[in-house]
Parts: sequence; structure tokens; C-alpha cells
Amino acid sequence: DGGITQSPKYLFRKEGQNVTLSCEQNLNHDAMYWYRQDPGQGLRLIYYSQIVNDFQKGDIAEGYSVSREKKESFPLTVTSAQKNPTAFYLCASSMRTVLYGYTFGSGTRLTVV
Amino acid sequence: AQSVSQHNHHVILSEAASLELGCNYSYGGTVNLFWYVQYPGQHLQLLLKYFSGDPLVKGIKGFEAEFIKSKFSFNLRKPSVQWSDTAEYFCAVNGPPGTASKLTFGTGTRLQVTL
Repeated sequence: DGGITQSPKYLFRKEGQNVTLSCEQNLNHDAMYWYRQDPGQGLRLIYYSQIVNDFQKGDIAEGYSVSREKKESFPLTVTSAQKNPTAFYLCASSMRTVLYGYTFGSGTRLTVV
Repeated sequence: AQSVSQHNHHVILSEAASLELGCNYSYGGTVNLFWYVQYPGQHLQLLLKYFSGDPLVKGIKGFEAEFIKSKFSFNLRKPSVQWSDTAEYFCAVNGPPGTASKLTFGTGTRLQVTL
């Protein structure tokens, strides 16, 4: 089945450590996105990539980094510079146009202690 | 920058009641509009979308939404809700031009349907 796989589902890290969240898709979608979901704040865009080897900052990119070396993969690193990293992180993908909307992964819940 | 407002944060309805969830956006030009639903423990799923044409769009599970350009609104409706509609609903907007496929989401509305 085609879809998006995010791993792990739950992740715990100590404060001050960098952590990388995985996102893989087999939908042959060109574009991929990382959103952060917090209660009462909806989904806020962290980074997005329209094409391999290219990505743009979203609305809340500070403290995060990404790479897009392969079409299928768009990992997100939460760095120690992110002041409030505990959150639910969603990865999504789409065709280059948004005509068919996004396909979302099941998310990773990151807890920093 | 585009912004999306969902003024109803938490809605509680009895089964068979009618539903209307508000969504307003800020950019006044051409936009593409979406409603997504997140059932408890499940992925976000597309309910319906508007790109052009008939401003009344129908989606899955009996949902519909009306695009009113003059009001910058895209409200979601369902004539008779079911307990299984309990979920969080997100409005999303693509636009203005130059934002490519980026979607801006609202803060979400949590719908609780009681038996």
C-alpha cells in the first residue's frame, strides 16, 4: 500500500540533545512537509520541500533542520536550539500542485525531559 | 501572509443535530480551500476541497462546505451528525500565488457528538 511512514511513533529525549524524526513516502510525491501540532494551535508549518535537494522554511523553522537527498525521504532534526520541542510532529506529502491535497503520516510524539 | 481562523474551538452536539463549523481566511485573491478531519488515533484525512466552479462542494460522509468569496469564508456543514463524527476538524488554505503547494491550517475545532 502507498503511504507515508513516520518513525518512531513515540520518542523521548533529554534536554540538549538533537533528535531526528524519520519520514518516508512511497507515493512518488514531489513535495513533502513537516508540521507541528500543539493543542489549540492547529498545525504549524516547520519546513517544506517541493523537489529533491531543495527546501524552504515554514512559519516556525527556528531550532529545526531538514534534508531532502532522496525523493522518498524528508527527515526532520529537532536541535537543542528549539526552545519548546515537546510536541506532535506530522509529515505530509503531495504532488507538486495541491490539487489532490496532502497525504499525512501517523505522526511522531516527541517528549523532551 | 495567509491566516486561517476557526472560531469554534470545541463544539458539543447531540446525534442528529445539524453542524456548521466556521472557517475564515485572510487573503482576498484566488485561493484553494480544504477541510481535513482527524478521528481519534487516526491520520488526518481530506474531507473535501474547493478549487473553482460551484461554490457548494460535497465531500465524504455527508459533509459539504460553501465558499463565500465576499465573506472570505468556507464553512463546513452536515445536516445530521452521528456519534462517529466525533473528531477534530481543520480548515486549510492554499494561497496567495507564490506559496506553491503550501497549506496554512486553522487552529482546529474539536467536535464531540453525544448519544
